[in-house]
Amino acid sequence: DTEVTQTPKHLVMGMTNKKSLKCEQHMGHRAMYWYKQKAKKPPELMFVYSYEKLSINESVPSRFSPECPNSSLLNLHLHALQPEDSALYLCASSQPTGIGYTFGSGTRLTVV
Amino acid sequence: DQQVKQNSPSLSVQEGRISILNCDYTNSMFDYFLWYKKYPAEGPTFLISISSIKDKNEDGRFTVFLNKSAKHLSLHIVPSQPGDSAVYFCAAAESQGNLIFGKGTKLSVKP
Repeated sequence: DTEVTQTPKHLVMGMTNKKSLKCEQHMGHRAMYWYKQKAKKPPELMFVYSYEKLSINESVPSRFSPECPNSSLLNLHLHALQPEDSALYLCASSQPTGIGYTFGSGTRLTVV
Repeated sequence: DQQVKQNSPSLSVQEGRISILNCDYTNSMFDYFLWYKKYPAEGPTFLISISSIKDKNEDGRFTVFLNKSAKHLSLHIVPSQPGDSAVYFCAAAESQGNLIFGKGTKLSVKP
């Protein structure tokens, strides 16, 4: 299995809702990442987990809360989002050195 | 300050010709470089990579060249096909594995 699987593919949520994005990989990668991508822009790093521990938080607002329950799973919990948070959210995984970097196909999030 | 730069926002090439996408970087500590291809409304798809200890890596129609002294890499696609039309992102990996992306180059291959 050489894929990173993200669910759901599309999500529409209100500003008072609580939702979660999920990411799964079975490549034995011990680094997992959340990126945010706005239209026509490159992905922007949000969080990095290395060996299931949060190693980088790129000053992301607390309304985004990551969780890494085990080495194969990565979640992003969403609460009280703003319309400007609408974007494509990408999960990626790799070896901790960056080798084998693989993106999921993303979750298209719309906040209304 | 941008550590990875793709100075051409767009490139148009005739089908069958060579496409050359360029990327410059400033951080000499980068040890791994990647190219991603992105279609609209999809996540980036890994295309090809190169380690800093090499100067060339080839995979089918795609070749990546690395010039460390110039801190420059390029992606060659030959022959170009209309299906290659997409946005191409250059990325460089730091030691912890974080990727630093360029802003992308939109390639249009005309039949």
